Amino acid sequence: SYVVSQPPSLSVAPRQAARFTCGGHNIGSKNVHWYQQKPGQAPVLVIFEDTARPSGIPDRFSGFNSGNMATLTISEVEAGDEADYYCQVWDIKTDHGVFGGGTKLTVL
Amino acid sequence: DVQLIHSGAEVKKPGESLKISCEASGYVFSSYWLAWVRQTPGKGLEWMGIIYPYDSETQYSLSFEGQVSFSADLSTRTAFLQFHGLKASDTGIYFCARRVGGSNRYYFDSWGQGTLVTVSS
Repeated sequence: SYVVSQPPSLSVAPRQAARFTCGGHNIGSKNVHWYQQKPGQAPVLVIFEDTARPSGIPDRFSGFNSGNMATLTISEVEAGDEADYYCQVWDIKTDHGVFGGGTKLTVL
Repeated sequence: DVQLIHSGAEVKKPGESLKISCEASGYVFSSYWLAWVRQTPGKGLEWMGIIYPYDSETQYSLSFEGQVSFSADLSTRTAFLQFHGLKASDTGIYFCARRVGGSNRYYFDSWGQGTLVTVSS
């Protein structure tokens, strides 16, 4: 089955950019979606179909997908952005959802 | 607004059975697949499977097939996750999430708050 990989942690100073990566074989041929999960809360969709933002998500959040890597970027990180971030794809071979292991963002 | 409301936290002993629920509102319940996702303590999200409430068609992750069952009640707009013989390793938070998108583009736009299941002797 398809596997996506995320580094476990990322630390960024306030007002700097945070760049999350999601690796997978030829992931650029798939659509990648990103979720933010704050402690004790349910995941929230922040990017869908590689680059689109749901309503209510600030334009500081952006996505890109090409080759074997997809990225989520938060420009000008704020303390309130501290959370776990998960990428997700759909594996059409198994018709199953696939989540990455998540990256924990720490704002220094 | 789409809302998915879970049943409350549960504490069970190993070997017991359990059925938790997820009540939907704000959209046509029968028209969207609903996924179940597990999060074990300190770990990430794990896709368990999915159900189409209209006809109760289901798909299960191999990791969960035979261990759980999904069902849905159209009259109450509620989806259910049933465990067959709980184990300590089933301890975690179980989320339902609405699936949207199209082939090769599926994602989950709305999530319930989750049900915490604790299995301990």
